[in-house]
Amino acid sequence: SQTIHQWPATLVQPVGSPLSLECTVEGTSNPNLYWYRQAAGRGLQLLFYSVGIGQISSEVPQNLSASRPQDRQFILSSKKLLLSDSGFYLCAWSAHRGNNQPQHFGDGTRLSIL
Amino acid sequence: RKEVEQDPGPFNVPEGATVAFNCTYSNSASQSFFWYRQDCRKEPKLLMSVYSSGNEDGRFTAQLNRASQYISLLIRDSKLSDSATYLCVVNIVRSNSGYALNFGKGTSLLVTP
Repeated sequence: SQTIHQWPATLVQPVGSPLSLECTVEGTSNPNLYWYRQAAGRGLQLLFYSVGIGQISSEVPQNLSASRPQDRQFILSSKKLLLSDSGFYLCAWSAHRGNNQPQHFGDGTRLSIL
Repeated sequence: RKEVEQDPGPFNVPEGATVAFNCTYSNSASQSFFWYRQDCRKEPKLLMSVYSSGNEDGRFTAQLNRASQYISLLIRDSKLSDSATYLCVVNIVRSNSGYALNFGKGTSLLVTP
């Protein structure tokens, strides 16, 4: 069966520090991969998605970036964190076949910027 | 107009009650629809897909009205464990052959003893 792993679960970082969140998927090949952010009391906002290695699409302008160095690895990064980057970051995967596939989420990383 | 709109609630219902959530979406080209459940401080989890003819999974029934761009979720015989936020989700096609999901902000349900 497929599993998705995200780490760390919780992270506290100072303003201006760099960020790297990692997500890996097991049990499937060539998945679509996604990064979302959920701010406190708000809905999920899609940040990036990827349909293949090295292919990244950005949904909103921001100081975050994403990379997909391997088929089942998706990384979210920032060179300098802002206070507004605080939130609950969720990685998700879906099967690559067709457009009617649901997405499955990792446990999420709760990021607090001080 | 927001792409996916839901009544945020909260809906407070007693155990055993039947409760219905509604959702509207703005993109008529959307083809896939889902309901997710999110517990407090946890990740969203797929509850069920929503099919054109309507579908049922135990106590949960989902309906889709494409003409009105409206989706519903009915929960019968509510349990305490049904307390959560229910997210209405609609797919959106992207130009690079990818697609993404648009999540509503969710409807909060509290089932009380």
